[in-house]
Amino acid sequence: QVQLQESGPGLVKPSETLSLSCTVSGVPISSYSWSWIRQPPGKGLEYIGNIFYSGSTNYSPSLKSRVTISVDTSKNQFSLRLSSVTAADTAVYYCARVILTGYNRHFDYWGQGTLVTVSS
Amino acid sequence: SSELTQDPAVSVALGQTVRITCQGDSLRNYYANWYQQKPGQAPVLVIYDKNARPSGIPDRFSGSNSVNTASLTITGAQAEDEGDYYCNSRDSSGNLLFGGGTKLTVL
Repeated sequence: QVQLQESGPGLVKPSETLSLSCTVSGVPISSYSWSWIRQPPGKGLEYIGNIFYSGSTNYSPSLKSRVTISVDTSKNQFSLRLSSVTAADTAVYYCARVILTGYNRHFDYWGQGTLVTVSS
Repeated sequence: SSELTQDPAVSVALGQTVRITCQGDSLRNYYANWYQQKPGQAPVLVIYDKNARPSGIPDRFSGSNSVNTASLTITGAQAEDEGDYYCNSRDSSGNLLFGGGTKLTVL
């Protein structure tokens, strides 16, 4: 049974860096690709970025300059860092597993999500 | 363009059939996936790779694709199908895309 659990501060000050971790259980993290997705309150889903099993990354063009996704295989975790945050970064942040089928991608397992509020 | 467009809201009478659509140029080349989200919960995958269903998803959910439009069809909608539905695909640069979501009301 694959399970994902986000963790990290629920409140971040403007201009600071948002840092979240996603702990994966049930599968070795190095065997799959992983993603971060967010959802501002009352709005739709927004893709943040992926880290592939190869270690390569892909980031949303709109967030690319501020985002870093990394993996810690010793903890079976992957992480998100988003720098220079503003109120517009307030959202529920989800981690998810990405399945690659040929050229296509889908998210089959999701964490429960964690609300991060940007406020002073 | 790298965008996916969905109707904001759709309604269906209990037991009837409803189709939710997703339009975008990327769908000419890549499959659409569909997620159901209920209030306060994480999204759940209901259709992937155009028309495949994950284990545990009822067979009243099906997917299809025509040119640049993907569709999610619920045949015999149930009260528990009410929620938000999001399509997702990718563009040629590998960026993953989401539609804006469709709120489904079962009357």
